[in-house]
Amino acid sequence: AQTVTQSQPEMSVQEAETVTLSCTYDTSESDYYLFWYKQPPSRQMILVIRQEAYKQQNATENRFSVNFQKAAKSFSLKISDSQLGDAAMYFCAYRSPMEYGNKLVFGAGTILRVKS
Amino acid sequence: DTGVSQNPRHKITKRGQNVTFRCDPISEHNRLYWYRQTLGQGPEFLTYFQNEAQLEKSRLLSDRFSAERPKGSFSTLEIQRTEQGDSAMYLCASSRSGTSTDTQYFGPGTRLTVL
Repeated sequence: AQTVTQSQPEMSVQEAETVTLSCTYDTSESDYYLFWYKQPPSRQMILVIRQEAYKQQNATENRFSVNFQKAAKSFSLKISDSQLGDAAMYFCAYRSPMEYGNKLVFGAGTILRVKS
Repeated sequence: DTGVSQNPRHKITKRGQNVTFRCDPISEHNRLYWYRQTLGQGPEFLTYFQNEAQLEKSRLLSDRFSAERPKGSFSTLEIQRTEQGDSAMYLCASSRSGTSTDTQYFGPGTRLTVL
């Protein structure tokens, strides 16, 4: 079974600075999908960024980018120019290819605090 | 385009009672998922529908849990004879098949407290 590990329970960043959240996963599959979701306090989970494993190019969405290292099974999220609104719980998630099921497997999350 | 909606947002019940939650997915989404999230943890998969067919169920989904999606639109999750261990946030998500990543979009959740 696939597992996702987020080794940083909590991170802090100064406003306007850059922070990197770590995620590693374990799988024997060669094709899969990886996601970062953000869950603000008492609010719903929203998608931040997604990456297809067959794509070598790292995904980027505005201030958010990933460092996808397939051989190392690592999928870190970099947030540039951090803003107060970035404060939230961040979850890394894995999904198998469609034929093997469609569920997301989540890590335990990293709480990100942004200091003004 | 309205997002995924869930009702009720909060439910407090006594142990042994039955509860039912509803999820309305994004209108063009044919896939619907239920997850459970306990405090400080990531969501755990419970079950998944494609249209009205329930295609996968987790071992977490005991016999006391049942989910339906009768017309392939909204879904209900019922918990019978609730236990204190059922206290959690129940999240619903939806997605559309035929897209490369089949990204799941989440609702606000229903927080269940069992006294």
